[in-house]
Amino acid sequence: GENVEQHPSTLSVQEGDSAVIKCTYSDSASNYFPWYKQELGKRPQLIIDIRSNVGEKKDQRIAVTLNKTAKHFSLHITETQPEDSAVYFCAASSALRNQGGKLIFGQGTELSVKP
Amino acid sequence: GAVVSQHPSRVICKSGTSVKIECRSLDFQATTMFWYRQFPKQSLMLMATSNEGSKATYEQGVEKDKFLINHASLTLSTLTVTSAHPEDSSFYICSARLHWGNEKLFFGSGTQLSVL
Repeated sequence: GENVEQHPSTLSVQEGDSAVIKCTYSDSASNYFPWYKQELGKRPQLIIDIRSNVGEKKDQRIAVTLNKTAKHFSLHITETQPEDSAVYFCAASSALRNQGGKLIFGQGTELSVKP
Repeated sequence: GAVVSQHPSRVICKSGTSVKIECRSLDFQATTMFWYRQFPKQSLMLMATSNEGSKATYEQGVEKDKFLINHASLTLSTLTVTSAHPEDSSFYICSARLHWGNEKLFFGSGTQLSVL
C-alpha cells in the first residue's frame, strides 16, 4: 500500500519568510496529492491540491510542486503570517478502483510563524 | 455544498461501554466514507473504508469486531467503538467523497472520545 513520508516534523520561521514542507510517496499509482491545514481539535482544511498530470500549482501565497519521477511533492508558503501557524499534512491517493481511493496522510509538520 | 456532519463532537464514557459516532453527508450522497483516528500530535490514520450497502474494508491492525462500521444509507455511516478502553481515547474523524473519480474528500468535524 501507499506510504507517505513528510519532513520536517517542526518548522519555525520569521514572519514574512518562506516555508517549505516536503513529502515523498511510494505508490506510483497515486495521482492525487492534497495538502491540509489543521488547527488543534479541528477538521483538516484543504488548502491546495495537485494531480499527477500537473507539475506545479499556485494559489496566492501557496504553491505545490510535484515530481512524479522522484515521487515527491512540496508545499511552499511565501510571505508567511502568524495565522499560518498550524499543523500541515500532505496526503496521496490513487483513483484506481482496486486501491479504494484511500487518502493516506504524511506525519504532519507543525509550522510556527514568529511575529 | 459538500457538507459532512459528525456527531457527537465530544464524548466521555466509562471503560467497557460502547460509543456510537455518526457521520452524515448533508447535501450529497456518499457511496464511500472513510474513518480516521488521530492521536495527539500525530497524523490521521485510516481505520476503514465504509461502502454503502456492503461490509467495510478495514486497514491492517484495526480490529473489525471492536470498531463496528455500518453504512446503511447513502448519507449515513456510523462507527461504534465497542467495549471501549482508555487506549481507545482519540480523535475520530470521518470523511466522504462526492463520487468515484472525484478524489476530493470532505471531512466531518471530528469526535473527541475520552474513555475513563
